[in-house]
Amino acid sequence: VQLVESGGGLVQPGGSLRLSCAVSGLTFSNYWTSWVRQAPGKGLEWVANIDGDGGEKYYVDSVKGRFTISRDNANNSLYLQMNSLRAEDTAVYYCAGDRSGNNIKYWGPGTLVTVSS
Amino acid sequence: QSVLTQPPSVSAAPGQKVTISCSGSSSNIGNNYVSWYQQLPGTAPKLLIYDNINRLSGIPDRFSGSKSGTSATLGITALQTGDEADYYCGTWDTSLSGWVFGGGTKLTVL
Repeated sequence: VQLVESGGGLVQPGGSLRLSCAVSGLTFSNYWTSWVRQAPGKGLEWVANIDGDGGEKYYVDSVKGRFTISRDNANNSLYLQMNSLRAEDTAVYYCAGDRSGNNIKYWGPGTLVTVSS
Repeated sequence: QSVLTQPPSVSAAPGQKVTISCSGSSSNIGNNYVSWYQQLPGTAPKLLIYDNINRLSGIPDRFSGSKSGTSATLGITALQTGDEADYYCGTWDTSLSGWVFGGGTKLTVL
């Protein structure tokens, strides 16, 4: 199983960025998938998750209305559209997945998002 | 301030045992499965324990999980220097409709 994130980088406050996660080695449509972030030197923070067919989506309060999680099961891909970015969104963003949704079994290596002027 | 409370750090000598606690409430630990993650420096988190007590395949039986009420505990016996890492508990919070993690515990093997 492999999860590989892309799309991170440096963006100015107020800007937008779209993260992608390519998933292989499992039946993607059977898995809940999540974005989890980790600010420099800080702990893990769950950002959002989405069920296998995309019908259920949940977000942490701090990103509601700014971030949108989506998936493309035909291409085994997960996305995170991030708008109105703030300095406090600076973090490594991990793509993660689990069949049951009760745990987070598979993790990608992460992609760094830096929000700074 | 994390929804789940973990001690910031624990330490013990090689060969000894440690426990890491994770305290929550009825909206998270009390009514949902708890999992435990190990994060070695500079790497992604790795699932160790799922559904409160089950070790992921390949995880040594030196690692164990338990849950009682609104608290969960990770136990590590026969400590090795390679166990030095940050450990996180996590679970779904029904009231928040979201996942929550503990603040993390840094394990030092002296």
